[in-house]
Amino acid sequence: EVQLVESGGGLVKPGGSLRVSCAASGFTFNTYTMNWVRQAPGKGLEWVSSISSSSSYIYYADSVKGRFTISRDNAKNSLYLQMNSLRVEDTAVYYCARLGEGGSGTDPYFDPWGQGTLVIVSS
Amino acid sequence: QSVLTQPPSASGTPGQRVSISCSGSMSSIGSNYVYWYQQLPGTAPKLLIYRSNQRPSGVPDRFSGSKSGTSASLAITGLRSEDEADYYCATWDDSLSGPVFGGGTQLTVL
Repeated sequence: EVQLVESGGGLVKPGGSLRVSCAASGFTFNTYTMNWVRQAPGKGLEWVSSISSSSSYIYYADSVKGRFTISRDNAKNSLYLQMNSLRVEDTAVYYCARLGEGGSGTDPYFDPWGQGTLVIVSS
Repeated sequence: QSVLTQPPSASGTPGQRVSISCSGSMSSIGSNYVYWYQQLPGTAPKLLIYRSNQRPSGVPDRFSGSKSGTSASLAITGLRSEDEADYYCATWDDSLSGPVFGGGTQLTVL
């Protein structure tokens, strides 16, 4: 069974840093592009970042560019999002999502999704 | 303000057909596939439709997607109480060079 499990969320002060992780299982992790998508409380979905299977291609939303860094460790079947200079508006549930079967790296073809990890940025 | 425009709410009675629209532009829907996600209360989103009109295995054929010009639609026939959820459309935007989502539509089954 394909499974994505996020961890590492929590409460952090504005300007602080946090790293969230996503543990993947049930599929050949090193052959898939992976993504982070977030959802602020009571709001819609926002794509955050994506990373290709070999980390050759990395993309960020303008809202996080220069502050967030996506990475992966294919040996550990894990995806990461290092978040620095956090702002109140970064408060959200962060989901990791795999690129769907046969998808191209640029499509918002996310399947499956993890259960999410909540990041709260507050003083 | 989302790049893709969806109605904030929709409703229907059991057994009815409901349609949810998603409006974009030439650089978004007009040039790219559309994807639909269902988010049941308190859960992660789930892929419902990919490449504008394809259903993943396990998604009932009551759900269908279509695209015309710069707009797309999700149709649900034989509405059931368990369809009560938030629905999001998504596509790639050539101008923004990134994936974009609609603001979401909350579907209520009366």
